Amino acid sequence: DIQMTQSPSSLSASVGDRVTITCRASQSISSYLNWYQQRPGKAPKLLIYAASSLQSGVPSRFSGSGSGTDFTLTISSLQPEDFTTYYCQQSYRTPFTFGPGTKVDIK
Amino acid sequence: EVQLVQSGAEVKKPGESLKISCKGSGYNFTIYWIGWVRQMPGKGLEWMGIIYPGDSDTRYSPSFQGQVTISADKSISTTYLQWSSLKASDTAMYYCARRGDYYDSSGYYRAFEIWGQGTMVTVSS
Repeated sequence: DIQMTQSPSSLSASVGDRVTITCRASQSISSYLNWYQQRPGKAPKLLIYAASSLQSGVPSRFSGSGSGTDFTLTISSLQPEDFTTYYCQQSYRTPFTFGPGTKVDIK
Repeated sequence: EVQLVQSGAEVKKPGESLKISCKGSGYNFTIYWIGWVRQMPGKGLEWMGIIYPGDSDTRYSPSFQGQVTISADKSISTTYLQWSSLKASDTAMYYCARRGDYYDSSGYYRAFEIWGQGTMVTVSS
């Protein structure tokens, strides 16, 4: 299986901050990388697919970049509803493994 | 509206069997892969497996192969996740999700674009 790691595992930030989360794959996955947001008690929500393509309806403050093994999710200006957990997922080879998650909380 | 609606929460004893469901509506159910994802209490997401309802082609994660069975009944737009003998370690929230396929000049990309609300399974003696 392809192993996914994320850093940091958690971070504290304020409304309006720019935040970057990193995801790394154990082997090259080209651009086959997705990002999800999960609020407490809710199902995950797709934010970005193909490393940098914004899913329909997702605010433009979310952006993704990277290819190969290293990827980032950036939130340009944190909003109150963004304080939650984010997961990356590789879709290069089954099983489409997820990263362990990054929790963003309020400073 | 495109949606996936999952069956309700279950409380079972170790050794019992269980089948939970995920019903799709608002789209052609047979042409989209449906996956299952486990989330143990306080933990992250685990990709369990995926099925193509059109012909029931199924792929499993090695971690879940032999532990669960994924099936589909396209006549009622429903996929299932089942256990023959539950363990306490099966206690988790289980999500179904529809896979979206995205094509561009550089590749064919796949992501879980529509999710069910989740089914909580509790296994306890």
